[in-house]
Amino acid sequence: GESVGLHLPTLSVQEGDNSIINCAYSNSASDYFIWYKQESGKGPQFIIDIRSNMDKRQGQRVTVLLNKTVKHLSLQIAATQPGDSAVYFCAENIDNTDKLIFGTGTRLQVFP
Amino acid sequence: EPEVTQTPSHQVTQMGQEVILRCVPISNHLYFYWYRQILGQKVEFLVSFYNNEISEKSEIFDDQFSVERPDGSNFTLKIRSTKLEDSAMYFCASTPVVTYGYTFGSGTRLTVV
Repeated sequence: GESVGLHLPTLSVQEGDNSIINCAYSNSASDYFIWYKQESGKGPQFIIDIRSNMDKRQGQRVTVLLNKTVKHLSLQIAATQPGDSAVYFCAENIDNTDKLIFGTGTRLQVFP
Repeated sequence: EPEVTQTPSHQVTQMGQEVILRCVPISNHLYFYWYRQILGQKVEFLVSFYNNEISEKSEIFDDQFSVERPDGSNFTLKIRSTKLEDSAMYFCASTPVVTYGYTFGSGTRLTVV
């Protein structure tokens, strides 16, 4: 993917530990949020989403938390594995628009 | 698992030439999108398309850009006269309903020389 050259914040975790990736979103009118994973040479891959009427949603090994008061979104990955190494993006959708607005991304590195 | 397919994976073109990037969205999806990612920058929205017409476009999507759904399966992005600054990864996406479950393709890397 186009992560090469990006000066991304990097999170390094040991295999088996939990990871928390944070995102601050920009628009208080945003009502739908998605976390994407992007591996090298691939497009964004959907991980989990959440609507603004919720503050937490869980998937398989992943949890998304939404704090609308401070416009903050986080992605928690349980028992992080080497295959989780990638760039993670949050994206927001503003109510009554079609487009997603992406954040800059965080690079997750998992070491043994 | 259904996929959004994009071709080619890499396209090199001379400045001023026309390019067409192709996408095959997921078959039961109704909403189609193009995004791009310039090296070192964020993924940016270009255009959304529904019911055979553009529903929303960004300021990037000027008269040099056009989209088309020429048949029941393909969705194309045309850049009429490419500029150096058009060099980027271009991603196609589709959704079954608006603002839900966006699925992205693997992208086309466009290099304008």
